[in-house]
Amino acid sequence: DIQMTQSPSSLSASVGDRVTITCQASQDISNYLNWYQQKPGKAPKLLIYDASNLETGVPSRFSGSGSGTDFTFTISSLQPEDIATYYCQQYDNLPMYTFGQGTKLEIK
Amino acid sequence: QVQLVQSGAEVKKPGASVKVSCKVSGYTLTELSMHWVRQAPGKGLEWMGGFDPEDGETIYAQKFQGRVTMTEDTSTDTAYMELSSLRSEDTAVYYCATYSSGLFDYWGQGTLVTVSS
Repeated sequence: DIQMTQSPSSLSASVGDRVTITCQASQDISNYLNWYQQKPGKAPKLLIYDASNLETGVPSRFSGSGSGTDFTFTISSLQPEDIATYYCQQYDNLPMYTFGQGTKLEIK
Repeated sequence: QVQLVQSGAEVKKPGASVKVSCKVSGYTLTELSMHWVRQAPGKGLEWMGGFDPEDGETIYAQKFQGRVTMTEDTSTDTAYMELSSLRSEDTAVYYCATYSSGLFDYWGQGTLVTVSS
């Protein structure tokens, strides 16, 4: 099975900061990686698909990059409404899907 | 626009079964590939299984094989997930989510299943 390791597991940042989260796959998954945002008590929401493509309607301050085993998710300027937990998800090993353990983002 | 509305919270005793429903609107169920993801309290997301459009079969994560059954009623556009032999570790929020080309794009609001004696 492909394991997804996110870091950090939690992060505290100030409004306006640039925030970066990483996701590492246990084997090469090409660009078969998505990023989700989950606010407390809510269902996850797709933000980025295929490693770097912004889902329709998602603010441009969110971005993703990477391929192979190492991926990065970035918020260019943190806003108060971005407080959430973020998850990566691989789909290289079809039809099995794996999520990272999540990164909880808080405002400093 | 797809909307997924799930059934309400459940409390079950260990050893019992639970069946969670997910009603689709905006599309018909036959146009979608429905999957199920769960989240234990304070924990991450765990994929359970769903309909694989590549071969037209329902596939389950190995962890749940033998205990989970996912079905669909196309006459009412409702998907179901039944989990049997419940144990305390199955306490979680269960989500239905539509699958398309490797991603989960629409999600239900979640159903809390509590397993407690």
